[in-house]
Amino acid sequence: GENVEQHPSTLSVQEGDSAVIKCTYSDSASNYFPWYKQELGKRPQLIIDIRSNVGEKKDQRIAVTLNKTAKHFSLHITETQPEDSAVYFCAASTPRHGQNFVFGPGTRLSVLP
Amino acid sequence: DAGVIQSPRHEVTEMGQEVTLRCKPISGHDYLFWYRQTMMRGLELLIYFNNNVPIDDSGMPEDRFSAKMPNASFSTLKIQPSEPRDSAVYFCASRLTGSYEQYFGPGTRLTVT
Repeated sequence: GENVEQHPSTLSVQEGDSAVIKCTYSDSASNYFPWYKQELGKRPQLIIDIRSNVGEKKDQRIAVTLNKTAKHFSLHITETQPEDSAVYFCAASTPRHGQNFVFGPGTRLSVLP
Repeated sequence: DAGVIQSPRHEVTEMGQEVTLRCKPISGHDYLFWYRQTMMRGLELLIYFNNNVPIDDSGMPEDRFSAKMPNASFSTLKIQPSEPRDSAVYFCASRLTGSYEQYFGPGTRLTVT
């Protein structure tokens, strides 16, 4: 089955700097890659996603890139703010498994003021 | 729409007791997912339903866990008997056919003493 790895497990950046979180997946049939943000004690919420027919997607300060050949995708956050502090989860989704999500282990991002 | 609704939000019970977690998906969504989140294992898919029918329960840890979806607006996850290692946050999520995004409920924090 699908296996998703995520690095780093923790990341601290200064406010205003950029943050990059990387994920790899194992199933070449995966075609949808969402990123969820989870604040302490809250539910995971989708912040951006990308489909396998697209190499990059951007939404204001966040962007996701996908390299299908290497089977990895990355989340980029620019001009980080304290409210970006949270745990970020990547996931991969495959049609033959009903488009279910296999989540990575998460990255705890701390933005220091 | 009120989003995915889960109850109770917190549950504390003693080992050996039966626990029932409840979920109401977003109206019109035809997929429903139950996840468990722990520090050690991250976000794990336990079971998912499509049109009230269980499709894949391979993530259910053992026979002590069972899930039902008697109608399109209600699902339960039952643990009987409960054990301390079942302590976790249990999330319910739903999505609509044709859309890959899953919407998470607020979760139920279960503590088994």
